[in-house]
Parts: sequence; structure tokens; C-alpha cells
Amino acid sequence: GDSVTQMEGPVTLSEEAFLTINCTYTATGYPSLFWYVQYPGEGLQLLLKATKADDKGSNKGFEATYRKETTSFHLEKGSVQVSDSAVYFCAPSDQSGTSYGKLTFGQGTILTVHP
Amino acid sequence: SQTIHQWPATLVQPVGSPLSLECTVEGTSNPNLYWYRQAAGRGLQLLFYSVGIGQISSEVPQNLSASRPQDRQFILSSKKLLLSDSGFYLCAWSVAPAGGLGTGELFFGEGSRLTVL
Repeated sequence: GDSVTQMEGPVTLSEEAFLTINCTYTATGYPSLFWYVQYPGEGLQLLLKATKADDKGSNKGFEATYRKETTSFHLEKGSVQVSDSAVYFCAPSDQSGTSYGKLTFGQGTILTVHP
Repeated sequence: SQTIHQWPATLVQPVGSPLSLECTVEGTSNPNLYWYRQAAGRGLQLLFYSVGIGQISSEVPQNLSASRPQDRQFILSSKKLLLSDSGFYLCAWSVAPAGGLGTGELFFGEGSRLTVL
């Protein structure tokens, strides 16, 4: 089955610092790749996605590029804000044909941004 | 627009008591439905998913069960809770595309925090 390895946290940054959260995956076929974000006390919400190799997903200043050759989907942001403090999850979607679109989530990376 | 709601938001239950968490989706039909659990300090674990009324697939053996009595209603239950059942439970839905292949994008509810004492 699919698996995801995410950079362990917690990650603590000062406001306006550069952020990278690494994510690598193993999957059958060519999965779509997702980053979800979970703000304190809430459910998850989609941050960005990429559906094929070399695609770049972007949203709210975050970016991630689908790297098929390295099976990676690292999340980056050039200048973080306090409001970006949350837990970030990387997730490939199982496209094996019998999976009904299940996502395999990474362990999550806690990001804390200080003023 | 589509919405998803789950309740109760917070629940404190004694060991051995029953559990019922409910989730409903509005604004779409025949969605795929999912129950995930997020234990403290850990990632998300898929517990159950459903592709239609009465069709439930279990991902992990446990003392929990799920039911889908209506197209847009998904219920997570237990007859006797264990301490290890404590966690944050998330219901989610996705579009059910033709051919059984998912697009992967999930839409999550607000979550239900269960504490078993």
C-alpha cells in the first residue's frame, strides 16, 4: 500500500522566515498529491494539490511541486506568518483502481510561527 | 454548495459505555464517506469508508463499527468504549467518480473529540 514520510516536527520559526516541510511517498501508479492543513481545534482542509508529474500546486503563498523522479512533494513558503501556525499533512491518493480514492496521510508536521 | 457536519463536537464517556458519532453531508449525492481517527500526537488513521448505502469497508480491526443508513449519513458506533478509543474523530466525504477511482480530494467535518475515562 501507499506510505508517506513527512519531516518530523515540531518546526518553530520566526515570522517572515522561509519554510520547507519535506514529504516523500511510495505509491502504486501515479497518485495525486495533496497537502492538508489543520488549524487548532478544527478539521482538515485542503491547502494545495498536484495531479501529475511536474505540476506545482499553490495557495496562500504555499507551493509544492510534484517530483516523480524523487517521489517527493515538499511544501514551501517564502515568508511565514503567525497565522500559518498549524499542523500540515502530506497525502498521496491511492490510484490503484480498487481504493475508492482513499488518502494515506503522513504523521503531520506541527508548525509554530512566533512574532 | 456542499457542507458536512458532525456531532457531537466534544464527548466524555466512561470505559464500557456505548458511542454514537453522526455525520451528514448536504449538497451532494452518492458521496464516498470516511471516518478517520487522529490520536494525540499522531497522524490520521482511516477507520472506515463507504461507497454507498449499507456498504462499509473497515480498514483496521477494532471495537468500532460504522453504518450508512442513508445516502448522506454516516455513523460511527461502539458498544463498549475502551481507553484507547480516545481521540479526535473526523468524518470526510469525496466525490465518487465513475470507475471507482477517487480524485483524492477530501472534505472534512469539524471533528469530534472523544475522551474515554
